[in-house]
Amino acid sequence: AQSVTQPDIHITVSEGASLELRCNYSYGATPYLFWYVQSPGQGLQLLLKYFSGDTLVQGIKGFEAEFKRSQSSFNLRKPSVHWSDAAEYFCAVGNRDDKIIFGKGTRLHILP
Amino acid sequence: ETGVTQTPRHLVMGMTNKKSLKCEQHLGHNAMYWYKQSAKKPLELMFVYNFKEQTENNSVPSRFSPECPNSSHLFLHLHTLQPEDSALYLCASSTPQTGVSYNEQFFGPGTRLTVL
Repeated sequence: AQSVTQPDIHITVSEGASLELRCNYSYGATPYLFWYVQSPGQGLQLLLKYFSGDTLVQGIKGFEAEFKRSQSSFNLRKPSVHWSDAAEYFCAVGNRDDKIIFGKGTRLHILP
Repeated sequence: ETGVTQTPRHLVMGMTNKKSLKCEQHLGHNAMYWYKQSAKKPLELMFVYNFKEQTENNSVPSRFSPECPNSSHLFLHLHTLQPEDSALYLCASSTPQTGVSYNEQFFGPGTRLTVL
C-alpha cells in the first residue's frame, strides 16, 4: 500500500537560512510525487511535482525537490527562506487512479 | 471568479441540523474531490467524481452525502453529524487521470465545520 512519511512535525529556521523538509514514501511502482503548501485558513497550493525525467524538480516560490529512488525520498529544499514561507507543507504520492495519499504535514516556523 | 471556490467558509451546526457545503470550479476540469482535514491527521480522501459519476467512496459514513449535478459543481450534504466530524473540508478538482499522465489537483480554501 502507498504511504507517505514526513518525520518532522515542526521545523523552525531563521529567515535567510536554508531549508530542507523530509519526505519518504512507500510505493511499489514509479510514484507520482508532489509537494503542497497550505497557509493558515487556505486550501493547498501545489509547489512542485515529479512524474518522470530529471530527478531534480523546480517549483514555484524558489522551492526545489529531489527524487531519490534508492532512498525512497523526495525532500523539499529552499536555499533562503522568507518570513512568508511560514506555512504547513505536505508531501504526497499519487497513483494512476485519481488518488493522492498525503503525509501528515510539516509546519514551518520562521524566526526573524 | 477563478479557481476553486467553496461556500460557506465557516459553518457551525448542531448534531440534528442538516446543512450543505458547496464547491465550484472554474477550471474546466471534469474530476472533483472531497477531502477531510482534521487536526493531527493526514488529509483523508472522502469522495471522487469523474464526469459527474462517483468513482470513489472511501468508507465514508452515510451522514455525509455527496452530490455532483455537473462537472463544475460539487455538494456535500450533512445530516446528524457528530462532534468528531468537526474539521476542515476541502474540495479539489483536476482533469481526470488517463493512466498515461497524471494531473495535479487544485484545491479550494475549505469550509471550517464545527459540530456542537
